[in-house]
Amino acid sequence: GAVVSQHPSRVICKSGTSVKIECRSLDFQATTMFWYRQFPKQSLMLMATSNEGSKATYEQGVEKDKFLINHASLTLSTLTVTSAHPEDSSFYICSARQGKETQYFGPGTRLLVL
Amino acid sequence: GENVEQHPSTLSVQEGDSAVIKCTYSDSASNYFPWYKQELGKGPQLIIDIRSNVGEKKDQRIAVTLNKTAKHFSLHITETQPEDSAVYFCAAGFNAGGTSYGKLTFGQGTILTVHP
Repeated sequence: GAVVSQHPSRVICKSGTSVKIECRSLDFQATTMFWYRQFPKQSLMLMATSNEGSKATYEQGVEKDKFLINHASLTLSTLTVTSAHPEDSSFYICSARQGKETQYFGPGTRLLVL
Repeated sequence: GENVEQHPSTLSVQEGDSAVIKCTYSDSASNYFPWYKQELGKGPQLIIDIRSNVGEKKDQRIAVTLNKTAKHFSLHITETQPEDSAVYFCAAGFNAGGTSYGKLTFGQGTILTVHP
């Protein structure tokens, strides 16, 4: 299958700081990438859909000013958690769509806000 | 919007037995149904998928069935092995175009434990 990478794999930051997470499709071009959040022992919750060259589409209840998404190229999307607080601590996972439907997921980024 | 229900939430089997996980979906427009395996601390890995124009698909020990009329689909794992132990998620998606293109809705997950 296709390979998707994420960086960093783990990050610890202080409350009030911003954190950027990168998502890359390594062996294919992805016009669409998705950002999910997963709390312990729970399912994946879609946060936003990132389209190359255009603004991201956010799911209901997700603050677009807090979770900034940039999809500057066909292989890179970034998620920036601005002014992070302890309640933002979670496992953030991106996926990249290949073709019409198939999504391949990255390994995830564990964020801990102190 | 779409709603996906997954059962059971936990499943424990002996090595060599079969395991079956079931999902139902609410939106009849959904036409793509992938299954993902997630190991602890890792991202989900696509293991098999099926589209609405097919009733069954098999890949070695893994098979998926789809009943469009009843709006449910199932994952079947035969000859289970300890390394099959993980969390399994079903999902439903559809090609609606626009901003919803390729969007997936996930089930709640099933923790599968295969005992040696």
